[in-house]
Amino acid sequence: GAGVSQSPSNKVTEKGKDVELRCDPISGHTALYWYRQSLGQGLEFLIYFQGNSAPDKSGLPSDRFSAERTGGSVSTLTIQRTQQEDSAVYLCASSLAAAGGRESKNIQYFGAGTRLSVL
Amino acid sequence: AQKITQTQPGMFVQEKEAVTLDCTYDTSDPSYGLFWYKQPSSGEMIFLIYQGSYDQQNATEGRYSLNFQKARKSANLVISASQLGDSAMYFCAMRVHSGYSTLTFGKGTMLLVSP
Repeated sequence: GAGVSQSPSNKVTEKGKDVELRCDPISGHTALYWYRQSLGQGLEFLIYFQGNSAPDKSGLPSDRFSAERTGGSVSTLTIQRTQQEDSAVYLCASSLAAAGGRESKNIQYFGAGTRLSVL
Repeated sequence: AQKITQTQPGMFVQEKEAVTLDCTYDTSDPSYGLFWYKQPSSGEMIFLIYQGSYDQQNATEGRYSLNFQKARKSANLVISASQLGDSAMYFCAMRVHSGYSTLTFGKGTMLLVSP
């Protein structure tokens, strides 16, 4: 597709279950980002992938959170043993490049997000 | 560390009027970029406008302009001739150019445009 695609759009799960959230970036974008948006808050950075480099995991809130990016394209964010405080909208973004070059290449384009509700 | 402050939780404007959404930032990095995004109720973050710290002129994109005052560390978004479809959350964000840093966002301003 033309934009960043995320699935599912909504996910309801029980406390303690594992969930997987999927992101399909814009074709040709080498950088991919995951953010979390809690109710009434701005976006909180979680993890970032750039090409084949090791991901920047500095924003992950706990070791229950992990993400992978297969083949430099699709990414999956996994939350293990979900807690109620994990309830939020998880947004994925992609950009042509992460740093260097003209700034216009580094604009991040976002998907519509996955709304996660942990009961 | 970078910080973005948006002091207006909500703003109201009448259709066809102009509105200014405030944003101040804090960074010690001399090279950075400032972004504004719109988030309608559908949830998607839509890129609106970008200003580089070394840009000589204020950025403009159609009805959007960025009032960049570097000395005051402010990057206010001005929307001219507001439309009903402008009702949304607006986020100011910053990215420093050193290393592979990501966007730091403010908490947003909810804009409501009335007929």
